[in-house]
Amino acid sequence: KAGVTQTPRYLIKTRGQQVTLSCSPISGHRSVSWYQQTPGQGLQFLFEYFSETQRNKGNFPGRFSGRQFSNSRSEMNVSTLELGDSALYLCASSFLAGGPGNEQFFGPGTRLTVL
Amino acid sequence: AQKITQTQPGMFVQEKEAVTLDCTYDTSDQSYGLFWYKQPSSGEMIFLIYQGSYDEQNATEGRYSLNFQKARKSANLVISASQLGDSAMYFCAMSPYGNNRLAFGKGNQVVVIP
Repeated sequence: KAGVTQTPRYLIKTRGQQVTLSCSPISGHRSVSWYQQTPGQGLQFLFEYFSETQRNKGNFPGRFSGRQFSNSRSEMNVSTLELGDSALYLCASSFLAGGPGNEQFFGPGTRLTVL
Repeated sequence: AQKITQTQPGMFVQEKEAVTLDCTYDTSDQSYGLFWYKQPSSGEMIFLIYQGSYDEQNATEGRYSLNFQKARKSANLVISASQLGDSAMYFCAMSPYGNNRLAFGKGNQVVVIP
């Protein structure tokens, strides 16, 4: 069974541009969550989607948005990039929307650098 | 809100020895899951082990075991027989049963030396 995949793996953008990151969950998983990891702030939750609906949202500005498609693949978009958006963006997939035994598996991440 | 605390400084561990990584948590939820992940320098977050708050037995997965003490709100990871490939950052995380939102600790750096 293939794991969680994220594309692209590396991305370099300049301030003011926008970027779209993609995450394909493990086959059969319907939940996709996104996290931002920076040296200063650590791992921070961005949002979670389950069956195409956003269920949870972290404390990030509206420049950060996401969506999920009917095949459970998810995209996140960051508009008007700032230098502080440079980070490793990780997505995690799980089968359920929560509950006991609901393990969450991560993809390899997309490393975004904003110049 | 959940809070995860990992306060140990970077650790050097001799190959083949066991190492314990401390994790304490704070939550008002009664039902939650606890996770440990390994992050090597490549950046990928690798799932290691899971413990549910109602699980009576401590979780084990191969060389990984979780020492769960609910009353103390502690979920320490034990890695037995350390290998060079165990060198990585280790993160403790939790999420309530009601959703998949993970709260992470700051991580523990482990370096295994031959």
